Amino acid sequence: QITLKESGPTLVKPTQTLTLTCTFSGFSLSTSGVGVGWIRQPPGKALEWLTLIFWNGDKRYSPSLKSRLTITKDTSRNQVVLTMTNMDPVDTATYYCARSDTLPATSYLDFWGQGSLVTVSS
Amino acid sequence: DIQMTQSPSSLSASVGDRVTITCRASQSISSSLNWYQQKPGKAPKLLIYAASSLHIGVPSRFSGSGSGTDFTLTISSLQPEDLATYYCQQSHNTLWTFGQGTKVEIK
Repeated sequence: QITLKESGPTLVKPTQTLTLTCTFSGFSLSTSGVGVGWIRQPPGKALEWLTLIFWNGDKRYSPSLKSRLTITKDTSRNQVVLTMTNMDPVDTATYYCARSDTLPATSYLDFWGQGSLVTVSS
Repeated sequence: DIQMTQSPSSLSASVGDRVTITCRASQSISSSLNWYQQKPGKAPKLLIYAASSLHIGVPSRFSGSGSGTDFTLTISSLQPEDLATYYCQQSHNTLWTFGQGTKVEIK
C-alpha cells in the first residue's frame, strides 16, 4: 500500500522560510522511473505544480518559483523535503506531495498525500 | 511554459448524462496528458494517464482521448459521486502544468 503524508508548520510569517516534509511508504525513491513532487492549491483556486525530484536525483522546478524552491530527498528515510524561501501571504495554500511514475509516453502523479494547509500571516 | 486551457470552467448535468470536458495545450504535447479528479475537501486522484489509459480502480464510465494539443475527458453516464473538479495536467517537457479546472455539479 502506497501512502504519502505531508508535515510541517501550519503558520509561517512573511519573509520566513517554509520547510515541508513528505514521508512516504510502499515504494522506494531509488526505483527507476519513480519521483516525488510537490503541488499546491490556494483556497478555492486551481492546482499549481511546484517541483519534482526523480529517483536518480534529477530535479525540476516551476520556472516562476525556481529561485525560491529547493527539493531534496533522503532515500534511506523515505522522505522528500521542500523548502520555499521568502514566504508571502499569496503563498497561503494546501501543499500536497505526490508520487510520480514514468512511462515512455508520459509521467503522472498516481498517489497523493492528504495535503497540508500552510497559512502565511504576521 | 506550456499553458493548459480547460473548457468549460463549470457545468451542471443530470445523473445519467454524458459529460465532456476539453483541455487544450498551447503547443503539441503528444500524449503526455493526465486527468485528475478532486472531490470537495479531498486530495486529487489520478483518473487517466497518457491521454487515454484508465488508472487502476477508476470506473469504466470515465474515458480520455486526444493527442497533440486537444484532449477530452468523457463521463459516459454521470453519477452523483462524480461531483468534483477535474484537472488536466501535461508532463511533456518535465516542467509540468495543470489546467484551471472544470467544476462538475449535479442538477
